Amino acid sequence: EDQVTQSPEALRLQEGESSSLNCSYTVSGLRGLFWYRQDPGKGPEFLFTLYSAGEEKEKERLKATLTKKESFLHITAPKPEDSATYLCAVGAQKLVFGQGTRLTINP
Amino acid sequence: EPEVTQTPSHQVTQMGQEVILRCVPISNHLYFYWYRQILGQKVEFLVSFYNNEISEKSEIFDDQFSVERPDGSNFTLKIRSTKLEDSAMYFCASSEAPRGEQFFGPGTRLTVL
Repeated sequence: EDQVTQSPEALRLQEGESSSLNCSYTVSGLRGLFWYRQDPGKGPEFLFTLYSAGEEKEKERLKATLTKKESFLHITAPKPEDSATYLCAVGAQKLVFGQGTRLTINP
Repeated sequence: EPEVTQTPSHQVTQMGQEVILRCVPISNHLYFYWYRQILGQKVEFLVSFYNNEISEKSEIFDDQFSVERPDGSNFTLKIRSTKLEDSAMYFCASSEAPRGEQFFGPGTRLTVL
C-alpha cells in the first residue's frame, strides 16, 4: 500500500528565509507525485505534478524536485502570503496524501 | 479560470439522516472523485468515478455511500444514514485524465449531531 510521510510537521520562517519541505514515499510503482497548497477551511490547491526521478517544476518562489524515494518543495525568499499547509500526494486516480507541513512565514 | 464548485458549503444533520453533497466538476473533465478530511487529519480518498461507473473505492466507502452523475454537470455523494464519525470536510475533485492533476473544490463541511 502506498504511504506518504511529510516533514517537518510545522515550520516557521522569517520572510525571505529560504527552506525546503520533504515528502518521503513508498509505492509499488510511482504513477505521479503531486504537491498541493491548502489554506485553513479550503480545498487543496494544485501546485505541481512530477512523474519521474530527476524531474523539476518551478512556479514563482516554489520549486519541486523528485528522486526515487522522496520529493522536496523548495521555497525561496518566502513572503507571508506563502503561509499555508503544503500537502504531498502520490497515486493516479486514488491519491494517497501525507499529513502536510504547516508553513508559517513571519513578516 | 474553470473551477470545481460544491454545495452546500456547510451541512448540519442529525445522526441517521440522509445527506446529499453536490459538486459541479470542471466542464471538460471526465474523471471525478470524492475525498474527505476529518478535522486535523489527512485527506482521505473515498471514490473515483469515470464513464458513469465507480472505478475505485476505499474501505471507507461502504454501502452507506453512493455516487451519481444525475446529469451532464452534477456529481453527487449520498450518505444514506449518517453517523457521528461521518463529520468531516468532503472534497470533490476532477481531472482531465486518469493520471492527471486533480482539481479540488472548496469542500462541504458536514456536521452530524
